[in-house]
Amino acid sequence: QKEVEQNSGPLSVPEGAIASLNCTYSDRGSQSFFWYRQYSGKSPELIMFIYSNGDKEDGRFTAQLNKASQYVSLLIRDSQPSDSATYLCAGLTSGTYKYIFGTGTRLKVLA
Amino acid sequence: ETGVTQSPTHLIKTRGQQVTLRCSSQSGHNTVSWYQQALGQGPQFIFQYYREEENGRGNFPPRFSGLQFPNYSSELNVNALELDDSALYLCASSFQTSGIAKNIQYFGAGTRLSVL
Repeated sequence: QKEVEQNSGPLSVPEGAIASLNCTYSDRGSQSFFWYRQYSGKSPELIMFIYSNGDKEDGRFTAQLNKASQYVSLLIRDSQPSDSATYLCAGLTSGTYKYIFGTGTRLKVLA
Repeated sequence: ETGVTQSPTHLIKTRGQQVTLRCSSQSGHNTVSWYQQALGQGPQFIFQYYREEENGRGNFPPRFSGLQFPNYSSELNVNALELDDSALYLCASSFQTSGIAKNIQYFGAGTRLSVL
């Protein structure tokens, strides 16, 4: 069973701090990874995708991928209360176009 | 706004009934994927349609079926509804090419189905 695992949280950080969200995956053939933000009762919203080893930055967000360790992370700098949501990590399985999602990490940014 | 629309937004059915959920994909996209998201869980892949054919299926029974139309819109049909089918059903559209590394999926707002 190919899996993507996340700590369900909640992860609580003070406003202005860096939030670090982590994800591990079991399928070594996974090519690409996606971070989605989901507010309660809403649908997932794409934040970033990454498919090369290393870091990818977009504004306050940085995605990190380490294929050797099968590890993906999302850093949120200068966290705001509006960042409070569930963050879903998804991997694109090798040989298919299917996303495998983790269960999500709930982030709380405290004002 | 992702340009992916789903209808209806909410639906209440009773056990044993049948339901049809609809999805219009984003302009320029040719692939639709359907997911089931139970409360507190991540989305679970049901199936994907590309060029009007099923292009992959998750661990869901045959009573979950679908269609894709020439305009790339799609339907999800669920027969013989069970209580455990209560969930948020998400449709995601994408543009599928031979370079699949990106294959970015954009989600609609979802249909919340309650089975009583």
